[in-house]
Amino acid sequence: DAKTTQPPSMDCAEGRAANLPCNHSTISGNEYVYWYRQIHSQGPQYIIHGLKNNETNEMASLIITEDRKSSTLILPHATLRDTAVYYCIVRVETSGTYKYIFGTGTRLKVLA
Amino acid sequence: DTGVSQNPRHKITKRGQNVTFRCDPISEHNRLYWYRQTLGQGPEFLTYFQNEAQLEKSRLLSDRFSAERPKGSFSTLEIQRTEQGDSAMYLCASTGTVFATNEKLFFGSGTQLSVL
Repeated sequence: DAKTTQPPSMDCAEGRAANLPCNHSTISGNEYVYWYRQIHSQGPQYIIHGLKNNETNEMASLIITEDRKSSTLILPHATLRDTAVYYCIVRVETSGTYKYIFGTGTRLKVLA
Repeated sequence: DTGVSQNPRHKITKRGQNVTFRCDPISEHNRLYWYRQTLGQGPEFLTYFQNEAQLEKSRLLSDRFSAERPKGSFSTLEIQRTEQGDSAMYLCASTGTVFATNEKLFFGSGTQLSVL
């Protein structure tokens, strides 16, 4: 019951912005979009989340389209340490319980 | 905040044996999740606890799998009669204080299970 689709891989030059797209065309009005990343052999690490407004924190920016059918994670100045798998997640609510549904992720490689 | 702790980090077992994993969530978190992740795939939801109550189980969780969270603190995930297809990373995550619902999941480092 995956609710997100992402490109399987992307490359980005060090120091440039990395723009990672995500499609979530079946998202419902109260379902949040979360982004996590995972470096090999570690648990996923939180990056950012949002509902309908654009969000920014110290790690990244999240741009959500007005119809909420897609979003883009922006890493403004990618470094080699940003090489990881990035997951776009929809948090689904059912009768007051919350389930975080992962997609297959985008493998981002930052090139020196 | 010591984070989410999972033990053991690695487990190698023979097919047919039982294994048990432990997860210690962040202490004030009332919601706990188990996920399974196979190579090259995103984490798949297995089950979810709110305090000690197991509120949802995925159909991925066969009868050989059982999870508990006694007293709403740590949780255990047991797999009986392991099969080679059970080989995966088992991830635990926690979130949620009593009133906040708009929150992020904190993940442990996972338990890597290899069934020979």
